[in-house]
Amino acid sequence: ILNVEQSPQSLHVQEGDSTNFTCSFPSSNFYALHWYRWETAKSPEALFVMTLNGDEKKKGRISATLNTKEGYSYLYIKGSQPEDSATYLCATSRGSQGNLIFGKGTKLSVKP
Amino acid sequence: NAGVTQTPKFQVLKTGQSMTLQCAQDMNHEYMSWYRQDPGMGLRLIHYSVGAGITDQGEVPNGYNVSRSTTEDFPLRLLSAAPSQTSVYFCASSYSTVTAKNIQYFGAGTRLSVL
Repeated sequence: ILNVEQSPQSLHVQEGDSTNFTCSFPSSNFYALHWYRWETAKSPEALFVMTLNGDEKKKGRISATLNTKEGYSYLYIKGSQPEDSATYLCATSRGSQGNLIFGKGTKLSVKP
Repeated sequence: NAGVTQTPKFQVLKTGQSMTLQCAQDMNHEYMSWYRQDPGMGLRLIHYSVGAGITDQGEVPNGYNVSRSTTEDFPLRLLSAAPSQTSVYFCASSYSTVTAKNIQYFGAGTRLSVL
């Protein structure tokens, strides 16, 4: 089983703080790295899919970077807002045809 | 735009009962899958399908059956419910069987309790 680790498990920040969290994965046979945002009582929604070493993606105040050689990705949120409160999941697969394996997620709480 | 539709949203079963969780997508996606979400665990793959008539086991298939008679529908059957199957179940689909690059579209989830 491919091991996808996310840290921290949970994070509490104040509105306006910038924050980041980590997804670690085996670098061998890497194909793609996914980030999903999962709000309570809703379904997970895709944020980014990254495939190349050094990839950087941005959507509004949220951005992500990818290092496939060392097997990690960072997700950054600039100026956190209460609506950013959610669990952020990363996932990867073994090869192009492999099913996605998800990490346990980082639960972010942003206090007003 | 319906996307991925799951029914029911909530269900309570007694041990030993059977039931089917329904999943339908209207995006003509080839790939469909079922996950379960338990506290402290990531989403774990139960079964998946790469097209009509083709299904395969994921990480945690025991106690569950699936079938894919059409592109649109991918029901999950619990044959004899056990308390260990208490969980939140998500159905997901993606455009291509090259799953690694294609984002997954998730349904709203089914919260199942087995007493």
